Amino acid sequence: NAGVTQTPKFRILKIGQSMTLQCAQDMNHNYMYWYRQDPGMGLKLIYYSVGAGITDKGEVPNGYNVSRSTTEDFPLRLELAAPSQTSVYFCASSYGTGIMNTEAFFGQGTRLTVV
Amino acid sequence: QQQVKQSPQSLIVQKGGISIINCAYENTAFDYFPWYQQFPGKGPALLIAIRPDVSEKKEGRFTISFNKSAKQFSLHIMDSQPGDSATYFCAASKADRGSTLGRLYFGRGTQLTVWP
Repeated sequence: NAGVTQTPKFRILKIGQSMTLQCAQDMNHNYMYWYRQDPGMGLKLIYYSVGAGITDKGEVPNGYNVSRSTTEDFPLRLELAAPSQTSVYFCASSYGTGIMNTEAFFGQGTRLTVV
Repeated sequence: QQQVKQSPQSLIVQKGGISIINCAYENTAFDYFPWYQQFPGKGPALLIAIRPDVSEKKEGRFTISFNKSAKQFSLHIMDSQPGDSATYFCAASKADRGSTLGRLYFGRGTQLTVWP
């Protein structure tokens, strides 16, 4: 039972480089999310998706892009890496939201450093 | 604007003591209030959650107290153990109608250390 799988676990990027953070879930959840976690700042929502082909911006979308071509996968793209994007990134998924909300399952995280 | 405010930022408790973490929210539309526990190097995991139609929920040593009129909720950890040392996040979400999605708004986290 894999749950939410994120790759890679660690990455060092140079300023201006691009990369894609991969996220896959095997629970047939419609809802998927990308958060970033900075020390003392909690979890900030970057992008989310309510199903294949549907995505929307969260609180801090600048510098990122996402796509959702399948229910299982929700990759996060950084086009021009900047030091401000140094963070730990978490992908999550859930069955429902709000009053229908059930547990959000998180991946193990990707620690990204931009130098 | 921080939708969910959490305090304290860090907490040190002796083994066997009670750990209390508090959260406050503004949006009365929130209808789901979970607490997540995160160990170093791991993703957050759901610990316990409550809906606003009850004032308290208990699961083992963990209890959520909910005060709807004050728009506050808190996590109590009874008989705290060194294995409880982790970062705790409160969160809130709401059911959105239409095209927007109800999503989790997280507090900034509380780093709990339980001394043996």
